[in-house]
Amino acid sequence: NAGVMQNPRHLVRRRGQEARLRCSPMKGHSHVYWYRQLPEEGLKFMVYLQKENIIDESGMPKERFSAEFPKEGPSILRIQQVVRGDSAAYFCASSPAHLAGGLGEQFFGPGTRLTVL
Amino acid sequence: AQSVSQHNHHVILSEAASLELGCNYSYGGTVNLFWYVQYPGQHLQLLLKYFSGDPLVKGIKGFEAEFIKSKFSFNLRKPSVQWSDTAEYFCASGYNKLIFGAGTRLAVHP
Repeated sequence: NAGVMQNPRHLVRRRGQEARLRCSPMKGHSHVYWYRQLPEEGLKFMVYLQKENIIDESGMPKERFSAEFPKEGPSILRIQQVVRGDSAAYFCASSPAHLAGGLGEQFFGPGTRLTVL
Repeated sequence: AQSVSQHNHHVILSEAASLELGCNYSYGGTVNLFWYVQYPGQHLQLLLKYFSGDPLVKGIKGFEAEFIKSKFSFNLRKPSVQWSDTAEYFCASGYNKLIFGAGTRLAVHP
């Protein structure tokens, strides 16, 4: 049973470009979470999605960042017009519906390391 | 706002030493508490979790943690560490949206 997949693992962008980060949850998981880890800091929650729904986006910056989890295909975290401060590791996690709501664990992917030049 | 704090950012131990990593959370209501570990080059893995019941929780690889409600603490312990325990350890709390501590980097020397 494959774990949570994220791609690319490393992404380099120049300032002003767009970054698209993909997350395929574990098979059977319908809940996806995105976190960001800045250097020397812990993971910070960004957004919680279910299929075709954003449940909680309280951690998302108000501008340039968006996330989706379509009915088919992976979840996408999109960062428009990237700036140097967006350089970080972005982690995706998933959980099955019946274990969501803090009653179980979130399974994490390997992360995407974004570097903005 | 909910917060999680980890007291030690870097810990260096020799093999066979005992380990205790501190974690304090701010929320006073029902809490879900977790310890995750990230080995070099790998993704986060769950070590153990606490939702309710016995405050002494046993996890994988010989780790355990004790939930002390009066101290808002959930410290991670292991009686005898091994070189392979070298990793970064994260305490987290939350319901759907996990709040993580800043992490503790543990280095175990042979």
